[in-house]
Amino acid sequence: SQKIEQNSEALNIQEGKTATLTCNYTNYSPAYLQWYRQDPGRGPVFLLLIRENEKEKRKERLKVTFDTTLKQSLFHITASQPADSATYLCARVNNAGNMLTFGGGTRLMVKP
Amino acid sequence: GAGVSQSPRYKVAKRGQDVALRCDPISGHVSLFWYQQALGQGPEFLTYFQNEAQLDKSGLPSDRFFAERPEGSVSTLKIQRTQQEDSAVYLCASSGLDTQYFGPGTRLTVL
Repeated sequence: SQKIEQNSEALNIQEGKTATLTCNYTNYSPAYLQWYRQDPGRGPVFLLLIRENEKEKRKERLKVTFDTTLKQSLFHITASQPADSATYLCARVNNAGNMLTFGGGTRLMVKP
Repeated sequence: GAGVSQSPRYKVAKRGQDVALRCDPISGHVSLFWYQQALGQGPEFLTYFQNEAQLDKSGLPSDRFFAERPEGSVSTLKIQRTQQEDSAVYLCASSGLDTQYFGPGTRLTVL
């Protein structure tokens, strides 16, 4: 079965630094990966999508990379702020493009 | 416009009771998904509808779980004879194209 693995340990960083979160997947590369943010008591909110043939995608302070050789996606938040503190989820999409398989999420804490 | 809404937000049930969880998707979204999220874990797929047709129910953990979307809009997830292991947050999402929009979830606690 297809698995998505994220570091379950919380990531604590200082405000202003770059946060880097890792997502590893097994078996064949998905057509695309998605990254979501989830705050306590809320549903996940879509942030970025990166396709298999894209090496990198950017949106404001966010950057996502996709390395099919390493079977890995990295999610970066530059100039991090305390408001960026949340759990970040990586998800692969099935070939039909309709079902998400999520990783366990990584909790990010940005300290002022 | 309005996002995905779910009700109730919190539900406490005694073991053995039946529960019904409601999802109101974004108007016009054809696809609707249900996920189960245990504490500290990522959401896990339960079932998927396209309009009123349930196209995939491979994630439903047992035959006590049943979902419907009779008119292709509102959906209900029903759990019969609830067990303690059913305690989780149940998330609903609707989709236009690539992106799924999630509701706030229903936190179910089975005592």
